[in-house]
Amino acid sequence: NAGVMQNPRHLVRRRGQEARLRCSPMKGHSHVYWYRQLPEEGLKFMVYLQKENIIDESGMPKERFSAEFPKEGPSILRIQQVVRGDSAAYFCASSPGGGTEAFFGQGTRLTVV
Amino acid sequence: GDSVTQMEGPVTLSEEAFLTINCTYTATGYPSLFWYVQYPGEGLQLLLKATKADDKGSNKGFEATYRKETTSFHLEKGSVQVSDSAVYFCALRLDRGSTLGRLYFGRGTQLTVWP
Repeated sequence: NAGVMQNPRHLVRRRGQEARLRCSPMKGHSHVYWYRQLPEEGLKFMVYLQKENIIDESGMPKERFSAEFPKEGPSILRIQQVVRGDSAAYFCASSPGGGTEAFFGQGTRLTVV
Repeated sequence: GDSVTQMEGPVTLSEEAFLTINCTYTATGYPSLFWYVQYPGEGLQLLLKATKADDKGSNKGFEATYRKETTSFHLEKGSVQVSDSAVYFCALRLDRGSTLGRLYFGRGTQLTVWP
């Protein structure tokens, strides 16, 4: 059973471009969480999704950031018009249920130049 | 609000030394508590957990006890190895309502073990 797969592992974008980060949860997992890790800091919650639903997006910046988890395919975290402050590692975690153990992917390291 | 405070790093130890990384929490209700480990360039791996007061989580020689009276979950290991070098994160989870499954992390503690 493959683990949580995130791609790309590394992403470089120029200021103003769009960044798309993908997360394929473990087989059988329908709950996905996105976290952001800024340099020298812990992970901060961004958004919690189930298939086709956003359950909690209280950690998402109000502008430029969006997330989806369609019925088919991976979860996508989209950042429009990236700025240097968006440079961070973005981690996805999946679980089979809301209160069960979450498994983390290896992360996507976004660098905005 | 709900939060985790853990010992500032970095921590540098010689092989076979005793390790303690302090972690305290603030939470409404009864959280589950976790320690995660992050090796260089990797994602987070669950190291151990405890779901109620006085529970002790243990794995790979690491231990932590859920202390409700002191709101703490300190990580300990009796004899560290070079391979334990990593960043360690303390986290809590409150399983209620829309925050179900959401983890609150400390800032992380970098551990370096020298041979």
